[in-house]
Amino acid sequence: QLQLQESGPGLVKPSETLSLTCTVSGGSVSSGDYYWGWIRQPPGKGLEWIVSFYYSGSAYSNPSLKSRVTTSVDTSKNQFSLKLSSVTAADTAVYYCARVTTVTPTPYYFDYWGQGALVTVSS
Amino acid sequence: EIVMTQSPATLSVSPGERATLSCRASQSVGSNLAWYQQKPGRAPRLVIYGAATRATGIPARFSGSGSGTEFTLTISSLQSEDFAVYYCHQYSNWPRTFGQGTKVEIK
Repeated sequence: QLQLQESGPGLVKPSETLSLTCTVSGGSVSSGDYYWGWIRQPPGKGLEWIVSFYYSGSAYSNPSLKSRVTTSVDTSKNQFSLKLSSVTAADTAVYYCARVTTVTPTPYYFDYWGQGALVTVSS
Repeated sequence: EIVMTQSPATLSVSPGERATLSCRASQSVGSNLAWYQQKPGRAPRLVIYGAATRATGIPARFSGSGSGTEFTLTISSLQSEDFAVYYCHQYSNWPRTFGQGTKVEIK
């Protein structure tokens, strides 16, 4: 059974960079069959897609965040990461990592999700 | 950007009754639509993909229909564990977008 687990600081100061890691178990981040993604949810609000990316580098990002988003994959640790720069209070949210079912070469829907990590942006 | 609009915002239903949730896309997404269930404090769970295919482990009382711009999620006989927020999600165009959610609550 595939499992994903987010980790990272729960508090980030304004203008700094938010960093989160997703550890995958029960599957491989370097599987050619899937993309991986990040989605966020501000407290009490709906879901916002951030990015979907392939382990070898291909990525699609939300234009509203694109200039601030960086992703990476560490196949040796079976992890992938998100960095969001220049954060403000509006970036306060629960951040979810997820596996993206892919119909080659296009990433589709999110079939497995991590439990989520709350990140608060505050001084 | 494709805007996904869900209705109603809140649906009050008695256990055992039928629930019908709607999702409308601002332009055609074909059958590239998924539904997710989210309970308080939990991650979303995939319920339906391809507009009408149940995800693994999802009971048969859940069904999805529609194509193009109009979609429906039907729960034929609500069980206690079905009370949650449901989101539709289009994966036809970039950026991927979600509806604002429909809360199914106990009447």
